[in-house]
Amino acid sequence: DAGVIQSPRHEVTEMGQEVTLRCKPISGHNSLFWYRQTMMRGLELLIYFNNNVPIDDSGMPEDRFSAKMPNASFSTLKIQPSEPRDSAVYFCASRPTGGTDEQYFGPGTRLTVT
Amino acid sequence: AQKVTQAQTEISVVEKEDVTLDCVYETRDTTYYLFWYKQPPSGELVFLIRRNSFDEQNEISGRYSWNFQKSTSSFNFTITASQVVDSAVYFCALSRRGSQGNLIFGKGTKLSVKP
Repeated sequence: DAGVIQSPRHEVTEMGQEVTLRCKPISGHNSLFWYRQTMMRGLELLIYFNNNVPIDDSGMPEDRFSAKMPNASFSTLKIQPSEPRDSAVYFCASRPTGGTDEQYFGPGTRLTVT
Repeated sequence: AQKVTQAQTEISVVEKEDVTLDCVYETRDTTYYLFWYKQPPSGELVFLIRRNSFDEQNEISGRYSWNFQKSTSSFNFTITASQVVDSAVYFCALSRRGSQGNLIFGKGTKLSVKP
């Protein structure tokens, strides 16, 4: 079975531009998580969805960040406008239905905002 | 409050040495899960193990073993006869059962295994 798929793997953009990160969770998983990883702050949970519904977005740093999950097989994380401090690796993870909380991570998107 | 502490920021060993990565957690819950993840230089996060708070039996998987002690709130990870391929950042994590999977991660321990 395919794992969590993220695209793009690398993104370089200029400050002020809109950035959209994409995630396809593992088929059959009903929870999806977006994380950000930086050297300074480590792994931070940004938002998570359960059955396509956002459950907790308290980790979203500010209004420039938004996330959607229009269906069970697709989610996006959008940053508009992007800033240099948004540079990080963004991970998407999914969790099986009725599982025991382990999450399976995608390969991540390395975002660089210049 | 829930918290995971990995006090060892970096560890360096020579191949074939045994190494133990420490993890101490804080929680007021009586039911929870503990996890270890591996992040190799390629960057992906790989799930290694899950432990239920009711199960204090140690677990061994090949060269990997985990020691869970509720009395000291620790969930330590030992690699026996380390290999260069074990070089990675290792994360310990905690979740509350029924929390819909919200994981609290430690800061990670970077393990370097030199030939």
